Amino acid sequence: NAGVMQNPRHLVRRRGQEARLRCSPMKGHSHVYWYRQLPEEGLKFMVYLQKENIIDESGMPKERFSAEFPKEGPSILRIQQVVRGDSAAYFCASSPQGGNTGELFFGEGSRLTVL
Amino acid sequence: ELKVEQNPLFLSMQEGKNYTIYCNYSTTSDRLYWYRQDPGKSLESLFVLLSNGAVKQEGRLMASLDTKARLSTLHITAAVHDLSATYFCAVTAGGTSYGKLTFGQGTILTVHP
Repeated sequence: NAGVMQNPRHLVRRRGQEARLRCSPMKGHSHVYWYRQLPEEGLKFMVYLQKENIIDESGMPKERFSAEFPKEGPSILRIQQVVRGDSAAYFCASSPQGGNTGELFFGEGSRLTVL
Repeated sequence: ELKVEQNPLFLSMQEGKNYTIYCNYSTTSDRLYWYRQDPGKSLESLFVLLSNGAVKQEGRLMASLDTKARLSTLHITAAVHDLSATYFCAVTAGGTSYGKLTFGQGTILTVHP
């Protein structure tokens, strides 16, 4: 019973390149959340998705960031034209359909370094 | 805006001692979580507290919730080195966004022999 799977675990990009982070939720989970953790800080909510729908993107920066959760395949967090300030750990979490348990299951995270 | 504050942010303890981490939050919340994070790792769920007066214990850790005071505590009894980690509390405003958590800054716990 695999947990939340994220890849890549580590990603290095130069300024101006694109970063794509993938998240496969736990089996049977249809709710996905992305969080960002800057060095020595707590996690901050970015976006909440269900299959093919963005439910809440109130934590997403207005530019360069986008997220999707297609009908088939993993959820993807895309960062265009990365800057040094995007260096962080990006965590994906999933919850069961309905999400009423409120419990989130976190992946191991993707650590982005922008040179 | 929901805000969550933890204190202390850094805690250095000797093995065998007791201590408490505090978590205050600014507005009414449906539930409160405690997580543990080891360096470079993901978050491990420790406790989910759902109601006023809730108390949960697991091993040397005990968490409680006072919704009237908007305060949760994580009490560590007879600390051991294996408890060294960063501990986060988080709250949710509930409704349809149970997974939208607001985290505290984290408490870095170091347990010394």
